[in-house]
Amino acid sequence: AQTVTQSQPEMSVQEAETVTLSCTYDTSESDYYLFWYKQPPSRQMILVIRQEAYKQQNATENRFSVNFQKAAKSFSLKISDSQLGDAAMYFCALNYGGATNKLIFGTGTLLAVQP
Amino acid sequence: DTGVSQNPRHKITKRGQNVTFRCDPISEHNRLYWYRQTLGQGPEFLTYFQNEAQLEKSRLLSDRFSAERPKGSFSTLEIQRTEQGDSAMYLCATKTGAGGRSDTQYFGPGTRLTVL
Repeated sequence: AQTVTQSQPEMSVQEAETVTLSCTYDTSESDYYLFWYKQPPSRQMILVIRQEAYKQQNATENRFSVNFQKAAKSFSLKISDSQLGDAAMYFCALNYGGATNKLIFGTGTLLAVQP
Repeated sequence: DTGVSQNPRHKITKRGQNVTFRCDPISEHNRLYWYRQTLGQGPEFLTYFQNEAQLEKSRLLSDRFSAERPKGSFSTLEIQRTEQGDSAMYLCATKTGAGGRSDTQYFGPGTRLTVL
């Protein structure tokens, strides 16, 4: 079975500081993709960053970067220079392929950004 | 705004009533997913369409649920004889399918269903 676990229900960070959100996953597939999605309050879920499992280099998108540890099945998200607009629920998700390429989500981490 | 729209945004209904939700995808996206998100949980997969064909249904989708995607454009999700346990956010997501599992799924704003 494919699973995604986010062990931090809530996190808080001061504006301009750095925060790391944790995610672990389990899959028997060798080729898969991992995603971090952001869901602001009452707004649409949007993609933050994605990582291909076959790539050793960690993905980076502006202030967002990941630490992908394939052997440990760990996929953490680092947000640098946190901004008030980063406050949201963050979901880690796995796409292991199959016939439909559906996403398997974790339970989410609610990030608060303190001014 | 991701370009995926869902209507209505909110629906309050009484137990036993039928409800229908609609999802309008980004025009060139031929793959469409429905997910359900309950409080404190991440979205869970319900069903998947490739064009007009419904190719997978989760075991979460009981026989009270039905989804359609006529002509491979918009999709509807109907829940018959609603139960309080159906209260949740229903999310629609679409993608092109050209890149396989690397494709980004674009999510709509969701329909929040409350069953009284």
